Amino acid sequence: GAVVSQHPSRVICKSGTSVKIECRSLDFQATTMFWYRQFPKKSLMLMATSNEGSKATYEQGVEKDKFLINHASLTLSTLTVTSAHPEDSSFYICSASMGAGDEQFFGPGTRLTVL
Amino acid sequence: AQSVSQHNHHVILSEAASLELGCNYSYGGTVNLFWYVQYPGQHLQLLLKYFSGDPLVKGIKGFEAEFIKSKFSFNLRKPSVQWSDTAEYFCAVNAGNQGGKLIFGQGTELSVKP
Repeated sequence: GAVVSQHPSRVICKSGTSVKIECRSLDFQATTMFWYRQFPKKSLMLMATSNEGSKATYEQGVEKDKFLINHASLTLSTLTVTSAHPEDSSFYICSASMGAGDEQFFGPGTRLTVL
Repeated sequence: AQSVSQHNHHVILSEAASLELGCNYSYGGTVNLFWYVQYPGQHLQLLLKYFSGDPLVKGIKGFEAEFIKSKFSFNLRKPSVQWSDTAEYFCAVNAGNQGGKLIFGQGTELSVKP
């Protein structure tokens, strides 16, 4: 199956700093990438949808200026958590698909801890 | 708003027991339905999916699910579970006009006792 990687797998940062998370599709071209947030014992919450070369579409309640998403190529999308605060601590998961409506392949997730 | 509901938060079974995990969704139009599994420490993996055709879908590792349109349900079943099936199971729905967005259920934690 298609492989999606995320880097880093875990990151600890100080409050007020920015953190960038990368999501890569390793063996296919991902027209669409999705970013999710997963709280402990909770479901995945879709944060935003990004299509290569265009601006991301954010879900209601997700601050686009805080969670910057860039999808500059067909194999890479980045999520930057700006001015991170402890409440941003979470597990962030990306997925990639070859087209809208196609099967999504998930990355292993990134554990962010903000001190 | 669309939603997905999984009835069981935590299911504990002994090996060889039969499994059925409930999933209901709220959306009146065309949907694509998925079950994902997340083994401890691993990423989400697709178990099975339904797009159209036979409402009884067979997936990997002996899992199957039945789409009942009249009940807005897509329950996951396995006749005989194994200890290695211990994991978190997520039902997800993609509405046909939502550009691929997946709405996930709350997840069901399955613990299988050896």
